[in-house]
Amino acid sequence: NAGVTQTPKFQVLKTGQSMTLQCAQDMNHEYMSWYRQDPGMGLRLIHYSVGAGITDQGEVPNGYNVSRSTTEDFPLRLLSAAPSQTSVYFCAVRRGRTEAFFGQGTRLTVV
Amino acid sequence: RKEVEQDPGPFNVPEGATVAFNCTYSNSASQSFFWYRQDCRKEPKLLMSVYSSGNEDGRFTAQLNRASQYISLLIRDSKLSDSATYLCVVYGSSNTGKLIFGQGTTLQVKP
Repeated sequence: NAGVTQTPKFQVLKTGQSMTLQCAQDMNHEYMSWYRQDPGMGLRLIHYSVGAGITDQGEVPNGYNVSRSTTEDFPLRLLSAAPSQTSVYFCAVRRGRTEAFFGQGTRLTVV
Repeated sequence: RKEVEQDPGPFNVPEGATVAFNCTYSNSASQSFFWYRQDCRKEPKLLMSVYSSGNEDGRFTAQLNRASQYISLLIRDSKLSDSATYLCVVYGSSNTGKLIFGQGTTLQVKP
């Protein structure tokens, strides 16, 4: 029982490259979210989903795309990486208004 | 104004001290409240939920003041292992699945 699995754990990208951060859960929770965490900024919501086929924008969606074709997976796509997207990314899953469980994070550097 | 605001600290206290953190939220219709703990840029983990009547878990006490829209966390008899960042988290008013995080308060407990 893995809970929430994020891959990769570390990534270095060149400006303009694209990539997908993976998030998978085996908890069968309906809510999945992506956050980024920067020094002094706390966790900021990028995109979230309340179920398969339903996604919506959070606080800082620009430059990121998501899709939710299954309950288990919620990938985050960086379309054209920029240095401003250097951050730590966390995926979180939750059922209703209960505890959120986080993946271990992806540390992304864009050079 | 941020939806959830915390004093970032750092709070530097000696072992055995009592320390309190406050958090304010702007949406009066917010429904659920939590304190999370985050160690050294690892993933956040639930410390405790916050109930209207207040609740206690060992050395930790959480309180909610809906009239003033703030949440507090009290830590008694601080341990070195309590050193971490404490995140105030609020669940939004509508059924959007959005959890909003404060920027976190850093606690450093010293011998």
